[in-house]
Amino acid sequence: SQQGEEDPQALSIQEGENATMNCSYKTSINNLQWYRQNSGRGLVHLILIRSNEREKHSGRLRVTLDTSKKSSSLLITASRAADTASYFCATSSGGSNYKLTFGKGTLLTVNP
Amino acid sequence: ETGVTQSPTHLIKTRGQQVTLRCSSQSGHNTVSWYQQALGQGPQFIFQYYREEENGRGNFPPRFSGLQFPNYSSELNVNALELDDSALYLCASSSPDRAEEKLFFGSGTQLSVL
Repeated sequence: SQQGEEDPQALSIQEGENATMNCSYKTSINNLQWYRQNSGRGLVHLILIRSNEREKHSGRLRVTLDTSKKSSSLLITASRAADTASYFCATSSGGSNYKLTFGKGTLLTVNP
Repeated sequence: ETGVTQSPTHLIKTRGQQVTLRCSSQSGHNTVSWYQQALGQGPQFIFQYYREEENGRGNFPPRFSGLQFPNYSSELNVNALELDDSALYLCASSSPDRAEEKLFFGSGTQLSVL
C-alpha cells in the first residue's frame, strides 16, 4: 500500500520558475526522503529529512517536514529543463530505516 | 551512477513461466531490497536481504522469492507469472553498518508478461 501521497500528480512550469511538490503520509515516521526518477528508470536519492528536523537544504532543493500535519514539501528553485522527471516521497517507519514506502509521485515538466 | 547493476534490462515472458532477475549491489553494501513499480505508480517494497537472510517482506505472495549471495549480490525469482506481474523491478542497496539510510537504486528490469 502507498503511505505517501504526492500533490499535485503533475506540474508544468517554465524554466527559471520554482516548483513545489507536497507529500502527505499516514503513520509516524523515522525519516522522509525524496527521490527523482527519469523516464521510468532507476530512482536517485535527493534529500533526507529526519522526523526531528523541520527544514533542510541541498543546493536548489529545500525540504520541509511538519510531523503534526504528517506532510512534507519539496521546493526546487530556479528550475531547469533537466529537472524534468518524476519526484517521489518515501517514508521509513518502525524498526527499519531501509524499507521505504513510496507515494505515487509528481511528474514535473520544465519547459525551456 | 549508483554502482548498482541489474540484469537483464528488459524481459518478455508468458503467463505461467518463471523468471529470475539479478542485482549486483554497490561495493561495501550488504543490504539489498527489491521493489516493484507498476506503470504510473510508486515503487512497492517486495523484500529485503541482509547478510544473506530475508529481513522483511512486503505484501507479495510466496511465488516471489529471493536470494542473497556471500558477495551480497541478489536474485529475485517469480514463479507462475501473472499478467499483473508486468512492471519495472528495481533493486536497491544500502549499508546499515554505515548508518546510511538512503537507498542506491539500479536502473531496473522491465518485465512484460504476455
